[in-house]
Amino acid sequence: DAGITQSPRHKVTETGTPVTLRCHQTENHRYMYWYRQDPGHGLRLIHYSYGVKDTDKGEVSDGYSVSRSKTEDFLLTLESATSSQTSVYFCAISVGVGDTEAFFGQGTRLTVV
Amino acid sequence: DQQVKQNSPSLSVQEGRISILNCDYTNSMFDYFLWYKKYPAEGPTFLISISSIKDKNEDGRFTVFLNKSAKHLSLHIVPSQPGDSAVYFCAASPNDYKLSFGAGTTVTVRA
Repeated sequence: DAGITQSPRHKVTETGTPVTLRCHQTENHRYMYWYRQDPGHGLRLIHYSYGVKDTDKGEVSDGYSVSRSKTEDFLLTLESATSSQTSVYFCAISVGVGDTEAFFGQGTRLTVV
Repeated sequence: DQQVKQNSPSLSVQEGRISILNCDYTNSMFDYFLWYKKYPAEGPTFLISISSIKDKNEDGRFTVFLNKSAKHLSLHIVPSQPGDSAVYFCAASPNDYKLSFGAGTTVTVRA
């Protein structure tokens, strides 16, 4: 299994509070991604990173920000959580792009009440 | 606008028989296709992939077929085993970081 650790694994938070999810990898892969999984939608890309301090938006980036200060860590922040952000969040890593697979972490279940 | 579609939310198959999962896509720029398997409370795990230059790729019990003209791919699992019961996601990429996923198909293998 790829060395990817997500923390926390579960979190319940109140509407309007900031939340930060952490993804840590031990593979030294260049590319890191944050996805959310919702019923009927599969996995949707929120943000991705192609290197330290290099990030870009995915298809559902509104309400989310990311930071990558070290190769091994990729943080996802919900500045002001809303109930629509209740979801399961997955971090993924890949050595390259294109014809290469991504490896996923175990996921973080976030509930915004 | 979902570019990758898995129109069957669920599939039930008897142990030992063939499971066929289907996936359609709309983006003609997609160049690389993957299948992921997901168990409850775990992250998706890579299963098999195929490049657009091929029409078939096989790995043990798993075979993926690609029909580019129809923008259709399928995953065949033969023979199906109880451990294959999971959610299967089809994904596609235009040869860059953008992996687009389908909504998933839940496979149940009956004993």
